[in-house]
Amino acid sequence: GAVVSQHPSRVICKSGTSVKIECRSLDFQATTMFWYRQFPKQSLMLMATSNEGSKATYEQGVEKDKFLINHASLTLSTLTVTSAHPEDSSFYICSARGTGPYGYTFGSGTRLTVV
Amino acid sequence: AQKVTQAQTEISVVEKEDVTLDCVYETRDTTYYLFWYKQPPSGELVFLIRRNSFDEQNEISGRYSWNFQKSTSSFNFTITASQVVDSAVYFCALRLISNFGNEKLTFGTGTRLTIIP
Repeated sequence: GAVVSQHPSRVICKSGTSVKIECRSLDFQATTMFWYRQFPKQSLMLMATSNEGSKATYEQGVEKDKFLINHASLTLSTLTVTSAHPEDSSFYICSARGTGPYGYTFGSGTRLTVV
Repeated sequence: AQKVTQAQTEISVVEKEDVTLDCVYETRDTTYYLFWYKQPPSGELVFLIRRNSFDEQNEISGRYSWNFQKSTSSFNFTITASQVVDSAVYFCALRLISNFGNEKLTFGTGTRLTIIP
């Protein structure tokens, strides 16, 4: 079955530093990848959508310069949180859309803590 | 408006009881897809079911069943003979197409289900 690997699963970083999260589709080509953020006991909120080789489309209210998304290949998308602050602490989840009919495969998530 | 509403924020039932999780959606689209996902404490999202708007047949998979009713815009999920392992947060989601042709999943706020041994 379709598998999406997301790394790291947990990361703690100092305020002001940048953190990169990787999302890889292991056994299929992901034409589109999605990045979500989930605060404790809340729902998943879509941050941005990326298509391979093109710029990401960000949802309203999401800072493009702060959350850099790169989808350089059909199997890899990265989310970089730049100049992280404590309020960026959250659970980030990626999802990959393959070529199958309307299937979405989710990564296992990254818990980011900014201290 | 296009959104998903899960009115039940938390539910607790005793093991072996049946439990139904409600999902009500709103969309202007005539073609759409609905999903249910399970999120255990570890955080990953586990796909449970996908249903398109043209298929109103109810579905049963083991102890899980889904009731899709377009007339009431509902897509409810029932677990029969609940087990402790069913304890998780369950999300209902609606696949939307934006004005720019982009697709995305819009999630409900989730229902936290606790099965009491």
